[in-house]
Amino acid sequence: KAGVTQTPRYLIKTRGQQVTLSCSPISGHRSVSWYQQTPGQGLQFLFEYFSETQRNKGNFPGRFSGRQFSNSRSEMNVSTLELGDSALYLCASSEGSNEKLFFGSGTQLSVL
Amino acid sequence: DQQVKQNSPSLSVQEGRISILNCDYTNSMFDYFLWYKKYPAEGPTFLISISSIKDKNEDGRFTVFLNKSAKHLSLHIVPSQPGDSAVYFCAATRFTGTASKLTFGTGTRLQVTL
Repeated sequence: KAGVTQTPRYLIKTRGQQVTLSCSPISGHRSVSWYQQTPGQGLQFLFEYFSETQRNKGNFPGRFSGRQFSNSRSEMNVSTLELGDSALYLCASSEGSNEKLFFGSGTQLSVL
Repeated sequence: DQQVKQNSPSLSVQEGRISILNCDYTNSMFDYFLWYKKYPAEGPTFLISISSIKDKNEDGRFTVFLNKSAKHLSLHIVPSQPGDSAVYFCAATRFTGTASKLTFGTGTRLQVTL
């Protein structure tokens, strides 16, 4: 099976712009979660989607949003980018019946 | 408020010796714990997990110990190999039977030297 695929791999944006990141989960996985990794902060949970519904949400402002499509693919959107949004954004998928997450390689977002 | 803490940012161990990575948590609701390994330019990969009903779980060279009263867990790697050099993240959650949010520590960079 192919692993979790995230696109694009790298992204450079300027303050105030918006960005959309994409994630294709492992075939058959119905749950997709998003995490933000910054130096010194570890991985911070953003949200989780299961069968097109947001099932869990972390403590991020409303500028961060996501959605999941019927084929389980997911997108994450960040509006009005701030310098502090520069981070590695990781997507993870799971079957939905346990806590074992499979991560993609991430999208490295730089906000200038 | 960091609910999962890995107080050692880095650790260096000789090949063949034991590596011990530590993790502390503050939230008593956590009942399921996981360790992930991350190489540069790759996403984290699952290593081993443990439920709060156990105090030890073993998988090959990797063993995780859980001390609930101390809210402490540790990952032992024996024997350590150069390929184990990576960043190790401890994660915790309240297990619900479905994938839910994991709370991660900030990671420990392990370097295994020859």
